[in-house]
Amino acid sequence: GIQVEQSPPDLILQEGANSTLRCNFSDSVNNLQWFHQNPWGQLINLFYIPSGTKQNGRLSATTVATERYSLLYISSSQTTDSGVYFCAVEIAGNTPLVFGKGTRLSVIA
Amino acid sequence: ETGVTQTPRHLVMGMTNKKSLKCEQHLGHNAMYWYKQSAKKPLELMFVYNFKEQTENNSVPSRFSPECPNSSHLFLHLHTLQPEDSALYLCASSQERSALGSYQETQYFGPGTRLLVL
Repeated sequence: GIQVEQSPPDLILQEGANSTLRCNFSDSVNNLQWFHQNPWGQLINLFYIPSGTKQNGRLSATTVATERYSLLYISSSQTTDSGVYFCAVEIAGNTPLVFGKGTRLSVIA
Repeated sequence: ETGVTQTPRHLVMGMTNKKSLKCEQHLGHNAMYWYKQSAKKPLELMFVYNFKEQTENNSVPSRFSPECPNSSHLFLHLHTLQPEDSALYLCASSQERSALGSYQETQYFGPGTRLLVL
C-alpha cells in the first residue's frame, strides 16, 4: 500500500518562530489533507490540497504532486499551535485515507 | 467546533460490558467514518458508510459493530472488548464517498471518544 512519511517526528519551537513540516508519499494521490490534532485529541481539518498552494492565516501548504510531497508552513507560531500535525492521503476514490505518523509540535512561550 | 459531535467523550468499560459510541454530524454530509487511534500508531480506518450503506470494513473484529440509521448519525456498538482495544475512537464525515475522489471527500472529525478497557 501507499506509504506516508512525515518529518520531523518531533519539533520544539519558541513562540514566534516559523516552521516547515514535510509529508512524503509513495504514490500518486487524489486527495491529500493536513490535520491538526489538539492536546484534547480532536482532529481539525486544515487543508485539502492534492496539488498547488493554499494559505489560511498563519498557515500555508504546498503540494508538489509530481514529486510526491507536501509541505505545511506555520509562521509566527503560538502556543495554541501545539499538538500533532497529520498528513493523510488517498490514492483513488473509495480507498481509505492513509495517515502518516504525524509531527508532534510543541510551542513554548 | 467542526459540526461533528461524539458522545461520550470518555468511557471506561470492563471486558464483559456492552456500550455504544455515538456520532452526529450537522453538516449535511452523506458519508461517515469510524477511525481508531492507538498510541504510537497511525490512525486506522475501521468503517465507512456512504448514504447509510456500509461500504468498507477494514478487517475489524466482530466485537465492534457499526450502525448507521441515517446520514446524520453513526453508532459503534462495543461488546466483549479487550484491553488492547483501548484507544481514541474518532468519527468523521464528508459530503460523500466519491468514486472519483474530490473535494467532496474532505473529512471533518469529531472530538473523539477516549476508551479504556479494563
